[in-house]
Amino acid sequence: RKEVEQDPGPFNVPEGATVAFNCTYSNSASQSFFWYRQDCRKEPKLLMSVYSSGNEDGRFTAQLNRASQYISLLIRDSKLSDSATYLCVVNQKGDDKIIFGKGTRLHILP
Amino acid sequence: DAGVIQSPRHEVTEMGQEVTLRCKPISGHDYLFWYRQTMMRGLELLIYFNNNVPIDDSGMPEDRFSAKMPNASFSTLKIQPSEPRDSAVYFCATQDAETQYFGPGTRLLVL
Repeated sequence: RKEVEQDPGPFNVPEGATVAFNCTYSNSASQSFFWYRQDCRKEPKLLMSVYSSGNEDGRFTAQLNRASQYISLLIRDSKLSDSATYLCVVNQKGDDKIIFGKGTRLHILP
Repeated sequence: DAGVIQSPRHEVTEMGQEVTLRCKPISGHDYLFWYRQTMMRGLELLIYFNNNVPIDDSGMPEDRFSAKMPNASFSTLKIQPSEPRDSAVYFCATQDAETQYFGPGTRLLVL
């Protein structure tokens, strides 16, 4: 099993719809979790951290399920500008290892 | 702060040539990371430094790759000799608390 796995997509979603995608991780000792966003031909940028209790930032909601070892990202009322690749990031504190998933591509359709 | 600065932004070279990629981190960030990104393999961590000291270079593909951080404001990633399979985007990133800040990347094409 890969350390961090994401559905590569693409997810083609009409503007205004709600879309969600998950990321699974294999190491139960993982401590910190993040979602990064990467636009085409640009560098990744932090979108949001994922807290144990779940967290929301505007139209974006991130959740962590430790029992099943996955994190999720929900985007409500999607905008054309949400089109990007979303990278799941897992930080294993013990060995300071930061692992990026390969990303999920999202296309918001007008 | 200007953020993480990388140079060159684009590099086209011929197989067998030496390539040097440069990174200027954000001042005050203790961690510096070098990544390589390709469509096939995604974002791969090559090496990272803490306070200028290399901590984990297990991601460096082979001896042709080397990285240095002579001081807190400069790091290099060198490929010698370069091969076509080294073609990728190379990112430098620095870390503040648990957030990584990426540079714009160097697009390397080895012919």
